[in-house]
Amino acid sequence: DIQMTQSPSSLSASVGDRVTITCRASQGISNYVAWFQQKPGKAPKSLIYGASSLHSGVSSKFSGSGSGTDFTLIISNLQPEDFATYYCQQYKTYPLTFGGGTKVEIK
Amino acid sequence: EVQLVESGGGLVQPGGSLRLSCAASGFTFSSDWMHWVRQAPGKGLVWVSRIKIDGSITNYADSVKGRFTISRDNAKNTLYLQMHSLRAEDTAVYYCVVYSSGWNWGQGTLVTVSS
Repeated sequence: DIQMTQSPSSLSASVGDRVTITCRASQGISNYVAWFQQKPGKAPKSLIYGASSLHSGVSSKFSGSGSGTDFTLIISNLQPEDFATYYCQQYKTYPLTFGGGTKVEIK
Repeated sequence: EVQLVESGGGLVQPGGSLRLSCAASGFTFSSDWMHWVRQAPGKGLVWVSRIKIDGSITNYADSVKGRFTISRDNAKNTLYLQMHSLRAEDTAVYYCVVYSSGWNWGQGTLVTVSS
């Protein structure tokens, strides 16, 4: 199975900050990476697919990049509604696997 | 707009059975692979199973192989997950998921396995 190593596992940031979350795959997965946001008690919300394509209706403050084994999610101008847990996922091969999550908290 | 609505969760005793359903709309259900993903309380996301558009191919996580069966009814736009021999570690929110211009998730249904 492909392992997705996400870092950091948590971070504290202030409103207006730019936040970077990284995900490393245990083997090359081209651009088959997605990013999700999840708030407590809610279903995951899709942000990015294909490593850099914005999901329909998602704010352009979210951006993704990377290919091969290293991927990045950037959140610009952090707002109160962005405080949540973020997950990466690979869908190059089965089983689908997810990163361990990054909890973004208010500083 | 893709909509996925899960149902069928609840409290079940260890060793019991439960069938989850997922009603789909807003996309061509019969043209897409469908998936189940689960999340135990306070834990991360774990893929459970997937099924091909015509049901001819199914895949399972090792942890549920032989106990869970995924199926679909394209005439009813509905996905199912039949779960047998349930264990405490199967306690989770179960999500119905489809890849259609990106990943789309249902709201989830909670399965609690406890005596």
